[in-house]
Amino acid sequence: AQTVTQSQPEMSVQEAETVTLSCTYDTSESDYYLFWYKQPPSRQMILVIRQEAYKQQNATENRFSVNFQKAAKSFSLKISDSQLGDAAMYFCAFLLSGYSTLTFGKGTMLLVSP
Amino acid sequence: DTGVSQNPRHKITKRGQNVTFRCDPISEHNRLYWYRQTLGQGPEFLTYFQNEAQLEKSRLLSDRFSAERPKGSFSTLEIQRTEQGDSAMYLCASTPPSGGSNEQFFGPGTRLTVL
Repeated sequence: AQTVTQSQPEMSVQEAETVTLSCTYDTSESDYYLFWYKQPPSRQMILVIRQEAYKQQNATENRFSVNFQKAAKSFSLKISDSQLGDAAMYFCAFLLSGYSTLTFGKGTMLLVSP
Repeated sequence: DTGVSQNPRHKITKRGQNVTFRCDPISEHNRLYWYRQTLGQGPEFLTYFQNEAQLEKSRLLSDRFSAERPKGSFSTLEIQRTEQGDSAMYLCASTPPSGGSNEQFFGPGTRLTVL
């Protein structure tokens, strides 16, 4: 069974600064996908960024980028130029290729101060 | 709004009562998922449909839980004889037919409180 660990229950960052959220996972498989989802307070979860395990290049989406270290089973999210709207719970999630169900971590609450 | 919708958004019930939630996926999304999210935790998988077929069920889905997707469109999740431990956010998600990005599109959830 796959597990996803987010060791930071809460992180704080000031506007315009950069913050990195950590995620590690455990699997014996080699073909999988990793995701970061954002869940704002009382709003629905949306996808921030995804990474295919077979790709060596780290995914980027505007201010969001990942540091994917397959050997270390690490998948961190970097948010650059943080904005107040980035405040939310962030979940790291794992999807085994050929399967359909996501395994989530416990989440990291990101606080953004002016 | 063409996103995933869930009704009701909030449900308060007394222990022992039955409750039913509805999920309407994005049009043409053939895969539909139910997750449960308790306070301080990430979502946990409950069950998954491809069209009208229920393909996978988690061991979290006790015999008090049942889910249906009769025509391959909307889905219902019923909890019988609710217990206080059932209090949680119930999330629904959908994905398009395989070959896409694997992104699951989530609804706003139904928050269940069992008194």
